[in-house]
Amino acid sequence: DGGITQSPKYLFRKEGQNVTLSCEQNLNHDAMYWYRQDPGQGLRLIYYSQIVNDFQKGDIAEGYSVSREKKESFPLTVTSAQKNPTAFYLCASRGNSPLHFGNGTRLTVT
Amino acid sequence: SQQGEEDPQALSIQEGENATMNCSYKTSINNLQWYRQNSGRGLVHLILIRSNEREKHSGRLRVTLDTSKKSSSLLITASRAADTASYFCATTWVRHSGGYQKVTFGIGTKLQVIP
Repeated sequence: DGGITQSPKYLFRKEGQNVTLSCEQNLNHDAMYWYRQDPGQGLRLIYYSQIVNDFQKGDIAEGYSVSREKKESFPLTVTSAQKNPTAFYLCASRGNSPLHFGNGTRLTVT
Repeated sequence: SQQGEEDPQALSIQEGENATMNCSYKTSINNLQWYRQNSGRGLVHLILIRSNEREKHSGRLRVTLDTSKKSSSLLITASRAADTASYFCATTWVRHSGGYQKVTFGIGTKLQVIP
């Protein structure tokens, strides 16, 4: 079955620690995206990548970093510089047009 | 910057009624998409309408697009309890250089369909 896998589903970290969220797709899509969703809110774009070894900042990139070394993988690192990291993080990929989403990672930082 | 803004933010209707959600956006777009999200899950694509289209249907869904007003609406007819979810519009625009397709979402409409 083709799809997007985000792991883990729940992640807990102490303040001041960097944490990396995994996103893997086997849809052979070129483009991949990371969004953040806060309770009762919409999705805000963090980073997006059109092709391997290239990515662009979205609307709220500060405190985050990404890499795109392989077509299938687009990991997101939440650094200690991110002031409010607790949120629901969604990864998506795109072939021709619609986005295909993973089921998200809920990150809690205390 | 937030592209789409949905209206209303919450909607509660009886099963069998129609539900209408609206979306406004700010810049020119290539297409507009509607997605559905069940609580705590990823989003699922429902329907896409291109900037040169005015109306599109898919089953019980009807989407309209008015590029002069920068707005779209999603109509769900004969609603069912299973339609209870959050609905988001998303706009796509292509950067002039590099062909990057930026997809941005609104804050969503939370729909509750009461059996």
